[in-house]
Amino acid sequence: KNQVEQSPQSLIILEGKICTLQCNYTVSPFSNLRWYKQDTGRGPVSLTIMTFSENTKSNGRYTATLDADTKQSSLHITASQLSDSASYICVVRENTGNQFYFGTGTSLTVIP
Amino acid sequence: SQTIHQWPATLVQPVGSPLSLECTVEGTSNPNLYWYRQAAGRGLQLLFYSVGIGQISSEVPQNLSASRPQDRQFILSSKKLLLSDSGFYLCAWSWGREDTQYFGPGTRLTVL
Repeated sequence: KNQVEQSPQSLIILEGKICTLQCNYTVSPFSNLRWYKQDTGRGPVSLTIMTFSENTKSNGRYTATLDADTKQSSLHITASQLSDSASYICVVRENTGNQFYFGTGTSLTVIP
Repeated sequence: SQTIHQWPATLVQPVGSPLSLECTVEGTSNPNLYWYRQAAGRGLQLLFYSVGIGQISSEVPQNLSASRPQDRQFILSSKKLLLSDSGFYLCAWSWGREDTQYFGPGTRLTVL
């Protein structure tokens, strides 16, 4: 069964610190993995996308890693800011058809 | 540039009443369109997607329906709402085989 699981479910960190969010998936065949940021009451916005051959990709203070062998991805946020408070969603696309599999997200709260 | 609109932003409806949520996309043609529902504390659930006018695929059985009367218009409907229909409804679009989905601002639906 194709699934995407994220951990932790929620996280509170101090401003300026680093945090790491995890995504494990069983989707096969794999096409790509994307991380989205969703502010409360808004639609998700794409942060990064990685294909099978990519191990890491950065977008400013956000760096995503992918291990296609173990089917794991991490999203690292450095020098966290209050505006990073949001839900972060991992989405894996299947390589056949038009299927996207969404994780339930990690709710991140950055406190001063 | 492309933009996606959803309305209304919030809606409170009694059980058994009808529903119509509208989504429109500007600045692109022949987009793939999606309706998602996000229940509190849950991941995004794909409800419908459409690759063209009049072409609707349903992902889960439910009392909701979708229609695409025009190329860039996607409508989510129900004849009789249930309490379990409460949630945050997101419309999204993508183009061709490109994987990026662009989400609308969402509609918060509360069924009482």
